[in-house]
Amino acid sequence: NAGVMQNPRHLVRRRGQEARLRCSPMKGHSHVYWYRQLPEEGLKFMVYLQKENIIDESGMPKERFSAEFPKEGPSILRIQQVVRGDSAAYFCASSQNPQGAFGKFGNTIYFGEGSWLTVV
Amino acid sequence: GDSVTQMEGPVTLSEEAFLTINCTYTATGYPSLFWYVQYPGEGLQLLLKATKADDKGSNKGFEATYRKETTSFHLEKGSVQVSDSAVYFCALTTNRGSTLGRLYFGRGTQLTVWP
Repeated sequence: NAGVMQNPRHLVRRRGQEARLRCSPMKGHSHVYWYRQLPEEGLKFMVYLQKENIIDESGMPKERFSAEFPKEGPSILRIQQVVRGDSAAYFCASSQNPQGAFGKFGNTIYFGEGSWLTVV
Repeated sequence: GDSVTQMEGPVTLSEEAFLTINCTYTATGYPSLFWYVQYPGEGLQLLLKATKADDKGSNKGFEATYRKETTSFHLEKGSVQVSDSAVYFCALTTNRGSTLGRLYFGRGTQLTVWP
């Protein structure tokens, strides 16, 4: 059973280009989360999606960033007109059920290996 | 708001030394608490968790006890190994409706263990 798959693992973009990061959740998981890890900092929540729905995007920058999780295919985090400050590791996570993720049944959130974006 | 404050690193220890990484939290309600570990070049792996006060999470020789009175969840291991070298993150979730599924992370503590 494959884990959370992210690609690309490393991406280099010039300022002003677009970056697209993809995330395939674990099989059977319909809840996806994106986190960003800036250098020397912890992970910061960006967005929480279910299939075809954005549930909570309160952690997303207001401009240039968008996320989707279509009915078919991976979740996509899109960053338009990248700037140097967007350089970071972007982690995707998935869960089967957010209630069950932290409840007595022992499900949990699983993280991918991350996508490292470098803006030059 | 909800937050986690974690002991800053880096922490450098010799093999078989005792490890403590401090973590305190601020949260409304009754959070669940977690320790995640990130090995070089890899994603985060759940190390252990505790979902209510006085619970002790344990895994791979690591332990942490949920202390509501001191709002703490310190990570401990009695005898570290070189293979424990990694970054350790303390995290919480309050599991409230508006923040369902959201994890709040500390800044991470880099642990290096020398043979």
